[in-house]
Amino acid sequence: GENVEQHPSTLSVQEGDSAVIKCTYSDSASNYFPWYKQELGKGPQLIIDIRSNVGEKKDQRIAVTLNKTAKHFSLHITETQPEDSAVYFCAASIRNDYKLSFGAGTTVTVRA
Amino acid sequence: EAGVVQSPRYKIIEKKQPVAFWCNPISGHNTLYWYRQNLGQGPELLIRYENEEAVDDSQLPKDRFSAERLKGVDSTLKIQPAELGDSAVYLCASSLRGTGGEKLFFGSGTQLSVL
Repeated sequence: GENVEQHPSTLSVQEGDSAVIKCTYSDSASNYFPWYKQELGKGPQLIIDIRSNVGEKKDQRIAVTLNKTAKHFSLHITETQPEDSAVYFCAASIRNDYKLSFGAGTTVTVRA
Repeated sequence: EAGVVQSPRYKIIEKKQPVAFWCNPISGHNTLYWYRQNLGQGPELLIRYENEEAVDDSQLPKDRFSAERLKGVDSTLKIQPAELGDSAVYLCASSLRGTGGEKLFFGSGTQLSVL
């Protein structure tokens, strides 16, 4: 099955700086890569996703890049704010397979 | 629009006791998932329903776990008997068929502690 690895496990950044989280996946058939944000006591919430026919996608301060050849994808958060503090999960799946494999998560702390 | 509703939010039980979790998905979402999230880990799929049919339960420990989704709406996940290693957050999610099952909406989960 799919194996998703995520790094780093923790990330502390100064408010206003950028944060980058990287993930690798094992199954070359995977073609859908979402990112979820989980705040304390809540369930994961989808923040952005990308499909394998696209190399980069941006939504305001967040962006995701995908390198299919190397089988890795990254989340970029620019101009970080205190409300960006949370646990972020990457995931991968084969479209229409309905089975998301999640990374272990990255705890992001934005220092004021 | 109401999100995915789960109850209870917290449950503390002694080992060997039974426990049940309830989930109400977003209205109109025919695909329902139960995930388990261990501390410091990402969610792992236990079972997926399409309407009332369990179409993927390969990761469900069937000796002690059971689930049902009557009438294709609400769902219940049960553990009997619970073991210490079952302590985790149990998340329910739903998605709308026709979207490739990709955009999952999660509930806030039930945090289970087995003593």
